[in-house]
Amino acid sequence: DAGVTQSPTHLIKTRGQQVTLRCSPISGHKSVSWYQQVLGQGPQFIFQYYEKEERGRGNFPDRFSARQFPNYSSELNVNALLLGDSALYLCASSTGRNNQPQHFGDGTRLSIL
Amino acid sequence: GQNIDQPTEMTATEGAIVQINCTYQTSGFNGLFWYQQHAGEAPTFLSYNVLDGLEEKGRFSSFLSRSKGYSYLLLKELQMKDSASYLCALNSGGYQKVTFGTGTKLQVIP
Repeated sequence: DAGVTQSPTHLIKTRGQQVTLRCSPISGHKSVSWYQQVLGQGPQFIFQYYEKEERGRGNFPDRFSARQFPNYSSELNVNALLLGDSALYLCASSTGRNNQPQHFGDGTRLSIL
Repeated sequence: GQNIDQPTEMTATEGAIVQINCTYQTSGFNGLFWYQQHAGEAPTFLSYNVLDGLEEKGRFSSFLSRSKGYSYLLLKELQMKDSASYLCALNSGGYQKVTFGTGTKLQVIP
């Protein structure tokens, strides 16, 4: 079975631009969560979506937004990019039940110049 | 909110046993995850503890004490490939909010 897939793998943008990152969950998983990981730190929670509704939001500015589609895939959008947005963006999927683990994709490495 | 503490770095010898500790403070608790992350790769799931006690999975075991806000990951018969960061993560809140610690970078030496 395919795992969590993310695209693109790498992305280079300049300050002020906008970016869209994509994620396809494991088949049967209805929950998708987004994380930002900077070098040397653990992943920081950005959003969780379940059944196309936002269930949780971390401490990120409104420049960050996301949505989930009827097929449970998801997009993360970041507007007005800043140098500090350079990071590895991870998507994780799960069944959505609290006792089930999240499985991570390989991430999108975003570099802002 | 949540607060998670784990050592930044550890070094251990191939074939030995290492214990990575994690302490936490949280207002809500559903469970505690351990993930392994090799450099430049995504985290991979190791274990999930909901109840107190020790859970064993091959060379890896994880322990939880909810009253003490404490968990550890025990790695036996260390191999060079075990060199990685080990992330302790809290599952809390009404939804599946997962808060990660900064991770413990383990270096296994010959």
